[in-house]
Amino acid sequence: DAGVIQSPRHEVTEMGQEVTLRCKPISGHNSLFWYRQTMMRGLELLIYFNNNVPIDDSGMPEDRFSAKMPNASFSTLKIQPSEPRDSAVYFCASSRSGGVLREQYFGPGTRLTVT
Amino acid sequence: AQKVTQAQTEISVVEKEDVTLDCVYETRDTTYYLFWYKQPPSGELVFLIRRNSFDEQNEISGRYSWNFQKSTSSFNFTITASQVVDSAVYFCALSEANTGGFKTIFGAGTRLFVKA
Repeated sequence: DAGVIQSPRHEVTEMGQEVTLRCKPISGHNSLFWYRQTMMRGLELLIYFNNNVPIDDSGMPEDRFSAKMPNASFSTLKIQPSEPRDSAVYFCASSRSGGVLREQYFGPGTRLTVT
Repeated sequence: AQKVTQAQTEISVVEKEDVTLDCVYETRDTTYYLFWYKQPPSGELVFLIRRNSFDEQNEISGRYSWNFQKSTSSFNFTITASQVVDSAVYFCALSEANTGGFKTIFGAGTRLFVKA
């Protein structure tokens, strides 16, 4: 089975540009999570969806960040405008939700560099 | 509020040594879930184990074992006879049932170096 797919794997952009990160969760998983990992702050949960509906976006750092999940097989995380402090590795993860909590399966991450 | 503390930032061992990674958590919920993930140099996080708060049985999987103690709010991870391929960052994580189990808080991670 294919795991979580993220694209691009690497993104280098200039400050002020719009950045869109993409994620395809594992088929059959109905929960999706976006995380950001930096040396300073570790692994932070930005937002999560259940059945395509955003449940908690309290981790989104600023209004410059937005996320969508138009269907069960696709999600995007957009940063507009990007800033150098947004440089990080962004992970997407998915899991099966339901009565019993499930572990999350992570994608390979997108390494974002904003110059 | 939920919190996960991994006090060991880095650990360095020689191959074949046993090593224990510590994890201490805080939660007000009576139903919660604990996890360990591995992040090898390739960068992808890999799920290792899940434990719920009602199951304090220790678990062994090959060279890996986990010791869950509610009395001390700890969920420690031991690698027996470590190997170079065990070199990675290991994260302990906590989810509370009252958040629907969705909100997972990760510890800062422990970087393990296993030298040949």
